[in-house]
Amino acid sequence: KAGVTQTPRYLIKTRGQQVTLSCSPISGHRSVSWYQQTPGQGLQFLFEYFSETQRNKGNFPGRFSGRQFSNSRSEMNVSTLELGDSALYLCASSLRSGDTEAFFGQGTRLTVV
Amino acid sequence: AQKVTQAQTEISVVEKEDVTLDCVYETRDTTYYLFWYKQPPSGELVFLIRRNSFDEQNEISGRYSWNFQKSTSSFNFTITASQVVDSAVYFCALRAGAGSYQLTFGKGTKLSVIP
Repeated sequence: KAGVTQTPRYLIKTRGQQVTLSCSPISGHRSVSWYQQTPGQGLQFLFEYFSETQRNKGNFPGRFSGRQFSNSRSEMNVSTLELGDSALYLCASSLRSGDTEAFFGQGTRLTVV
Repeated sequence: AQKVTQAQTEISVVEKEDVTLDCVYETRDTTYYLFWYKQPPSGELVFLIRRNSFDEQNEISGRYSWNFQKSTSSFNFTITASQVVDSAVYFCALRAGAGSYQLTFGKGTKLSVIP
C-alpha cells in the first residue's frame, strides 16, 4: 500500500512568486491536513480537508490556501511568497474518525530567496 | 485552546541507556487523543502511538513504553536500552474536539544516542 506522496520534494522560489504543493493521500483516506514546520515555530497546523471541504484552518494569512479534489488529492498554494515562508510543508492523511492516527508524507522543503 | 509542552529540547544518551521524553498537555475537552511521532533526518513523521483520553493503561511495545497520567496531564515516552537508530526528533501531539483531525504539536525533543 503506497504511503502519502508529496511533490515536489524540494523547491526554490523567489520572493513575490507563488507556489503550489501537491499531496496524494493513502488510497481510501479522505482526510488531508497540511502542516508547516519551521525551526522557530515548530509544527503548525495550516488546514484540513475532508471530502473536498475545508473543515479547519489554522492561524495563517490568506496567502495560504488549499483545496481537495474528488480523488482526495490535495494541493496547497502560497501566493506572494515571503522569506518567512521557507519551511518544510508536511501533509498528513487520515482514514475517517478522529481517533485514527495521521500518516505523514516526507514533506516538501520550500526555500524562498 | 490546546497546548503541548515538551520541556526537553535536546537529550544525549550513551547507547544502551534508558531515556524518558516528557510531554505535558493542556485541553478543556474531555475527549482527546495523544500521539507520539518520530522524525528522522529524512523528514517524514513516523507514527509511534495513539492514546485516547479514556484509556490510561500504560503501553509497552518492544523497547518503547508510554506512561499516560491524566492527573498530571502527562504522556511520557521511555526508550529502554537506547540504540543509535533511535536518534531523531520526537514529537508529542494532541488532537481534541469531535471530528477534528487537527494535531497540536509540542516543539519536539531531539534525541542523540551516542555509540
